[in-house]
Amino acid sequence: DAGVTQSPTHLIKTRGQQVTLRCSPKSGHDTVSWYQQALGQGPQFIFQYYEEEERQRGNFPDRFSGHQFPNYSSELNVNALLLGDSALYLCASSFGRAEQYFGPGTRLTVT
Amino acid sequence: AQSVTQPDIHITVSEGASLELRCNYSYGATPYLFWYVQSPGQGLQLLLKYFSGDTLVQGIKGFEAEFKRSQSSFNLRKPSVHWSDAAEYFCAVVLNSGGYQKVTFGTGTKLQVIP
Repeated sequence: DAGVTQSPTHLIKTRGQQVTLRCSPKSGHDTVSWYQQALGQGPQFIFQYYEEEERQRGNFPDRFSGHQFPNYSSELNVNALLLGDSALYLCASSFGRAEQYFGPGTRLTVT
Repeated sequence: AQSVTQPDIHITVSEGASLELRCNYSYGATPYLFWYVQSPGQGLQLLLKYFSGDTLVQGIKGFEAEFKRSQSSFNLRKPSVHWSDAAEYFCAVVLNSGGYQKVTFGTGTKLQVIP
């Protein structure tokens, strides 16, 4: 079992650009959640996807959007990047109400 | 709103010494409680979880945690720390509402282990 995988590992973008991050959940999991972890902080919940729909959202602007595909994989899109969007983006998957398993993250740097 | 407090930002212990990391939560009911560990540049690994039942839970790598309802605490312990335990530790509270999970993390405690 490959666990939760994320791509790319690292990414450097310029302010104003758009970025797409990808996540493949652990086998058997149907729910994907995304988190932003700024340097020295705990992860902050962005949103959660289940059955291809966003069913919960944290306190993030509409520049952050996502998608879940029929195979349960997911994408996180961020438009009009700001310097403050630089962070480690974590994807977590789960099945039902069970615990979430995290991927290794994508390190996004905005210059 | 639920919240999680980890009062110790940084802790240093000697290898072989015991460890206790503190976690307090604020929530009207008993939430689901978790401890995760994160090595530098890595994702989070689940150490242990509490849903209900026995208030002392065992996890991986020799860690345990005790849920104390009266103190709204879920402290993580290990009797003898190894150098490989140096990492950042996050306490998390999960609210299940209508089948939805919302996870709130504490700000983390960075553990340094000295020889």
